Amino acid sequence: KNEVEQSPQNLTAQEGEFITINCSYSVGISALHWLQQHPGGGIVSLFMLSSGKKKHGRLIATINIQEKHSSLHITASHPRDSAVYICAALPQGGSEKLVFGKGTKLTVNP
Amino acid sequence: EAQVTQNPRYLITVTGKKLTVTCSQNMNHEYMSWYRQDPGLGLRQIYYSMNVEVTDKGDVPEGYKVSRKEKRNFPLILESPSPNQTSLYFCASRGLAGWGGELFFGEGSRLTVL
Repeated sequence: KNEVEQSPQNLTAQEGEFITINCSYSVGISALHWLQQHPGGGIVSLFMLSSGKKKHGRLIATINIQEKHSSLHITASHPRDSAVYICAALPQGGSEKLVFGKGTKLTVNP
Repeated sequence: EAQVTQNPRYLITVTGKKLTVTCSQNMNHEYMSWYRQDPGLGLRQIYYSMNVEVTDKGDVPEGYKVSRKEKRNFPLILESPSPNQTSLYFCASRGLAGWGGELFFGEGSRLTVL
């Protein structure tokens, strides 16, 4: 059974700090999503990646397929980055059954 | 504007009273899916659809039905709701060209079953 583990569960940072959120999964995957959920509930897709690295503004996502690990980095964090970050793995084999991590709650203090 | 629209956003109902949560997307996406989100359990997939008339169970399909008669719509049906279906529900879609694209989520539907 594929499991997705995120760490840390909770993270508090000061504005301007560099943030790293980790995601590990147990079986082979074809892609991995990083999602952001702000208080109030809406979910936004940040990245989908299957190899290497992607960057969007202050956000960087990396994935190492062999090590079954992905990281989400936030540079120069800001209070508006406070949200829950969720990774979701798409297993190999053509299934569209996404497996979600339980999320990392990030709080960035001014 | 590309969007996924869910209705209703909030609903309080009683045990056994059939209800439907609608989901519509305007991006011509093949893939659509329903998730529920519960404290401590995170997001879990209920049903998904790869295209019109093609649906499959996710991890927690019990008590739910879906249909995909048109590409843009993917309603979630609770034939006889029970209190354990009280949850926050999300619909999502994505294109399947190549190996796939980013997920687009609806704003969520908060359902309370008394």
